[in-house]
Formats: sequence, structure tokens, C-alpha cells
Amino acid sequence: AQSVSQHNHHVILSEAASLELGCNYSYGGTVNLFWYVQYPGQHLQLLLKYFSGDPLVKGIKGFEAEFIKSKFSFNLRKPSVQWSDTAEYFCAVNPLSNSGYALNFGKGTSLLVTP
Amino acid sequence: GAGVSQSPSNKVTEKGKDVELRCDPISGHTALYWYRQSLGQGLEFLIYFQGNSAPDKSGLPSDRFSAERTGGSVSTLTIQRTQQEDSAVYLCASSLGWGWGAQETQYFGPGTRLLVL
Repeated sequence: AQSVSQHNHHVILSEAASLELGCNYSYGGTVNLFWYVQYPGQHLQLLLKYFSGDPLVKGIKGFEAEFIKSKFSFNLRKPSVQWSDTAEYFCAVNPLSNSGYALNFGKGTSLLVTP
Repeated sequence: GAGVSQSPSNKVTEKGKDVELRCDPISGHTALYWYRQSLGQGLEFLIYFQGNSAPDKSGLPSDRFSAERTGGSVSTLTIQRTQQEDSAVYLCASSLGWGWGAQETQYFGPGTRLLVL
């Protein structure tokens, strides 16, 4: 079945550590790719998105993600995390080859940043 | 400007009762989506509205679930004869709705947390 996989379910990092969260998808053809973040007690917010062009995209709060088409991956990175980055992170794919418009989400990665 | 709003924020109901959840999309957005976020299942698509077109109901888990969108704006998700497994956070999102293949970004509301006892 077509899916979105986030490999790390729970990640614990110390402040200033580097972060990389994996996301792989199994849809063929053209895709729109997203990372959403959900801070504790808050709603889903868009972190960054890839539609076309430069495969390295930059988002808010120093996050970036790289689209590697050959690997069907869209990994999220941040060079130095802060305590305020503690949140749940969701990778989402809109497979444009389908007739639907739904976002297909990964299961999410819970990030805890310790002081 | 105002984002997507949803009401109620929380809803507790008894098994077998019907519930209605409301979503107000961002003004000017013609596309509206409902998702469900539950433990173990993650975020699941339920239904999608685009303008006056027939909705895409492919994600609705059973015929107890239905949704309507009046006047191309506000949407109501109705769950009939609620079951305990319906307990989840129901999220609404909206986007500009430029059409299939467009570079669309969905903006999410705060959700309605439903608990079925």
C-alpha cells in the first residue's frame, strides 16, 4: 500500500544538538511534500513545503528539508535545536498523480529537547 | 487574518448519541478538508470539499459519518450513533482550492476533541 513512513517515533536531544528526522514515501510521480509541527497544546502548523524547484527548502525557525527524488525521501533537519522545538513533527505527502487532494501523513515523530 | 476555526473545542458524548462538529475555513478558501487524529492511527483523511463539486468522501470510515458544506463556507461533520472508537481529535483544514495539481497548502484549525463514553 502507498504510504508515508517516519522512521523515528520518539527522539530525545539535548539543546544545541543537530536534528534529522526521516521521511520516506511510496507514491510515484509528482508529489507535493510538507512538514507540519504540532507544539504542545497547539494546532498543526506548516513548517515548510516543497512543490518544485530547489530540492533544499527552508522553513520557519531554522528548519530545512531536502527532497531526494531517487530515494523518495524528504528529511527534516535543523543544525541546532532549542528547548522550544519540543513538539510532534508530521511529514505529509500530496500525491498529485491521484485524483484526490488529501494529504497523506506519516505517524509523526515526537521530539523532546532537554535543557 | 483569521485562521480556520472549529467548534466545540471539546465534546463528551455517550455511546449511541449523534454529534455535530463545525468548521469555519479561512475566508476566500474554496477547499475544505476533514481529518481525524487518533492514537495509533495518526492523521487520517475523511472528506474533502471543493467549491460546488461533489465532495470526495473516500476517507469516511463508515456510513455513520457524513459532512456538508453550506454556501461554500462553513462545514459540519456529523457522526451518528457514536461509538467509543470514534474518540479522536477531528481536524479541519482549508486551502485556496486552485484545482488538481496546484501547489496547495492546507491550513489547519485547532481541532475538536471528541470523547465517546
